[in-house]
Amino acid sequence: DGGITQSPKYLFRKEGQNVTLSCEQNLNHDAMYWYRQDPGQGLRLIYYSQIVNDFQKGDIAEGYSVSREKKESFPLTVTSAQKNPTAFYLCASSEMGQRPLGTEAFFGQGTRLTVV
Amino acid sequence: SQQGEEDPQALSIQEGENATMNCSYKTSINNLQWYRQNSGRGLVHLILIRSNEREKHSGRLRVTLDTSKKSSSLLITASRAADTASYFCATGSYSTLTFGKGTMLLVSP
Repeated sequence: DGGITQSPKYLFRKEGQNVTLSCEQNLNHDAMYWYRQDPGQGLRLIYYSQIVNDFQKGDIAEGYSVSREKKESFPLTVTSAQKNPTAFYLCASSEMGQRPLGTEAFFGQGTRLTVV
Repeated sequence: SQQGEEDPQALSIQEGENATMNCSYKTSINNLQWYRQNSGRGLVHLILIRSNEREKHSGRLRVTLDTSKKSSSLLITASRAADTASYFCATGSYSTLTFGKGTMLLVSP
């Protein structure tokens, strides 16, 4: 089945630890995205990537890092510099970016990160 | 920065009624998309309307786009209890999708 897979579904992090969230897609999509969702805040863009070995910061990139070494993988690391990391993290992919006409995004099922 | 803003924030209706949600945005766009999210799950794409289109239909969904007013509406006709979810509009511009805060729809049997 084609799709986008996030793991783990639930993740617990101690204060001061870095953690990495996995996102894999087998849709052969060029573009991949990471969003953060807090209650009542909607989705906010952390990072996005249009092509392998290239990525750009979104609106709330501070305290996060990403890599795009393979087309199908876009892992997100939540570093200890992120002061309030407890949230629901969503990864998405689309066939191409939103220019010129735009394409739909496919989302994973999310990872809920909690700091303990 | 959040581009789209949905209205109302919450909507409660009975099965069989129609549900209308609105989205306003601020800057020029290439397209506008609507997504649905069930509690604690990922988002599912519903419909995409391009900036040169005014109306689009998909099953029980009808989307309109008014670029002069920078607004869009999503109409769900003959709603069902299974339509209960949060609905988000997302604007596509340049390379990314920017989401609003969503409308929570509750459909009671």
